[in-house]
Amino acid sequence: AQRVTQPEKLLSVFKGAPVELKCNYSYSGSPELFWYVQYSRQRLQLLLRHISRESIKGFTADLNKGETSFHLKKPFAQEEDSAMYYCALSGTGGKLIFGQGTELSVKP
Amino acid sequence: GAVVSQHPSWVICKSGTSVKIECRSLDFQATTMFWYRQFPKQSLMLMATSNEGSKATYEQGVEKDKFLINHASLTLSTLTVTSAHPEDSSFYICSASRQRNQPQHFGDGTRLSIL
Repeated sequence: AQRVTQPEKLLSVFKGAPVELKCNYSYSGSPELFWYVQYSRQRLQLLLRHISRESIKGFTADLNKGETSFHLKKPFAQEEDSAMYYCALSGTGGKLIFGQGTELSVKP
Repeated sequence: GAVVSQHPSWVICKSGTSVKIECRSLDFQATTMFWYRQFPKQSLMLMATSNEGSKATYEQGVEKDKFLINHASLTLSTLTVTSAHPEDSSFYICSASRQRNQPQHFGDGTRLSIL
């Protein structure tokens, strides 16, 4: 079965602290994984895709096929990082399967 | 680039009426558009995949007669909620991609409230 799991509904950290949003997946083929971000009252935006291996806004994510994980990390969280973060898997026909989402709250 | 516009952003209507939601790709041609539904504090659930010029593919459990999807051009897909009832109240989001396996770009969503 194709599934994406984000175990934390809410993650609260202080400004400057490291952040790791967890994502695990279940997929039988070669997965393509994404992180999307949704700031308050804004549309869903693509943050990262694993095949591009780039860093956006200081965030990185590494695909670990052995652990079937694609955790999102940032060494020093900023208040403007507060948002909903969704991990997603591209399945058959380009369909996206989303995780439940993690709300990141960065406190001053 | 890659802007997707969704209209209306918010609609309130009486039970039994039909509501049409439009999804437009403003600066690119989208061969594939997707329709999602999102309940409060929950994830996006894919309802259907819409390909230009062909019938939409619905996910299991989604009533195709209830949620009519039309993708008549490379820049426009519509979702019509027919004979809407309060349980259809939700946040509906569309996305568009240039081709099937390319990144999806999302609209702002439409909040539908059925009284």
